[in-house]
Amino acid sequence: QVQLQESGPGLLKASETLSLTCTVSGGSINPYYWSWIRQPPGKGLEWIGYVYYSGTTNYNPSLESRVTMSVDLSKNQFSLKLHSVTAADTAIYYCARGSYFFDDWGQGTLVTVSS
Amino acid sequence: QSVLTQSPSASGTPGQRVTISCTGSRSNIESNSVNWYQHLPGTAPKLLIHSNHQRPSGVPDRFSGSKSGTSASLAISGLQSDDEADYYCVAWDDSQNGPVFGGGTKVTVL
Repeated sequence: QVQLQESGPGLLKASETLSLTCTVSGGSINPYYWSWIRQPPGKGLEWIGYVYYSGTTNYNPSLESRVTMSVDLSKNQFSLKLHSVTAADTAIYYCARGSYFFDDWGQGTLVTVSS
Repeated sequence: QSVLTQSPSASGTPGQRVTISCTGSRSNIESNSVNWYQHLPGTAPKLLIHSNHQRPSGVPDRFSGSKSGTSASLAISGLQSDDEADYYCVAWDDSQNGPVFGGGTKVTVL
């Protein structure tokens, strides 16, 4: 079982870019899929997208135009960028291992977007 | 609005059996396997069931999953106070080419 830890700014202004990093410990990024999932306040979970260790990505169609994911094998990290954020992007953001079979998760980090 | 439909809430007394349903369509549940997650607010979601009915190591056999057609179910038998949580179903969707979540079911132990 690997450990995942999200990091990044917790407060953004509307129109800025959300940038989060997930650090993987206790195991290698290789050869897995790594996902980002979020939960807006009072709402359910939403898959944002995944990045394969090779760098291949797949994004939720509803967010695809604003999302970029990448992986850094040397640091055992993967990252999320969400551009042009609005208040609707306020959520707890989780990183997880897997493409839809998420067997390990981070604790989550709250990102608040102020208008 | 979630692609997979779950009842918002379910409840039972200690020891009872509670069943949570998850309804989808041909492009997700009927064509692909279903996973279930338990989520307590403020914590990381936990994989409870994968591949429709398989339990990861460490998950009690009080939790069981099943699937038929475009629907799936999670059953919790011998309900305990620790089972109070939100439960989510997830399936791969061929139309969206990605996983889709249910809206979640909040289980309350009375």
